[in-house]
Amino acid sequence: EIVLTQSPATLSLSPGERATLSCRASQSVSNYLGWYQQKPGQAPRLLIYDASNRATGIPARFSGSGSGTDFTLTISSLESEDFAVYYCQQRSTWPAFGGGTRVEI
Amino acid sequence: EGQLVESGGGLVQPGRSLKLSCAASGFTFDNYAMHWVRQVPGKGLEWVSGISWNSDSIEYASSVKGRFTISRDSAKNSLYLQMNSLRTEDTALYYCAKDISGLFFQYMDVWGKGTTVIVSS
Repeated sequence: EIVLTQSPATLSLSPGERATLSCRASQSVSNYLGWYQQKPGQAPRLLIYDASNRATGIPARFSGSGSGTDFTLTISSLESEDFAVYYCQQRSTWPAFGGGTRVEI
Repeated sequence: EGQLVESGGGLVQPGRSLKLSCAASGFTFDNYAMHWVRQVPGKGLEWVSGISWNSDSIEYASSVKGRFTISRDSAKNSLYLQMNSLRTEDTALYYCAKDISGLFFQYMDVWGKGTTVIVSS
């Protein structure tokens, strides 16, 4: 079973700042990693798939990088609507999610 | 882009059964794999089960294997989750989600609003 560990658990930042979120896999998942955003009371939204590809309609301030076991989601300049919880998900085996990172003001 | 609407949640006693449904619209249901994902309020996401477009490939999380059964009906554009031998730890919001792929389980790009299952005596 592949375990995804996200860090930090909480990231406290201000609008306009850069956010860097980490996801580490317990074994290599190649580039088979995605990122989701979830706001309170809403379903998750797919942001990034296969490590670095933005999903349809996702703003360019969101970018993903990494391969193997270490991955990063970067939000270049936080907007007010970006404060949310972010999850990574691997598809190397059956789907599995990380524990999430909360980005708060 | 598509829409998914879940139903069938509710309050059920431990050991009993419940069947969730998910009605799909706005996309060609037959072309995509589908999933159930659950979330305990205030906690993270847990993938529960997935089914390929043609039902040939089905997978379950170890926490539900042997108790839950996923299925789909192309004539009704619907996804189902039969949940048997329910436990208190199955209490969660259950989401239906569409995969970006038909055959292989990849990522989920369309989600419903979820249906709540509470397992309690």
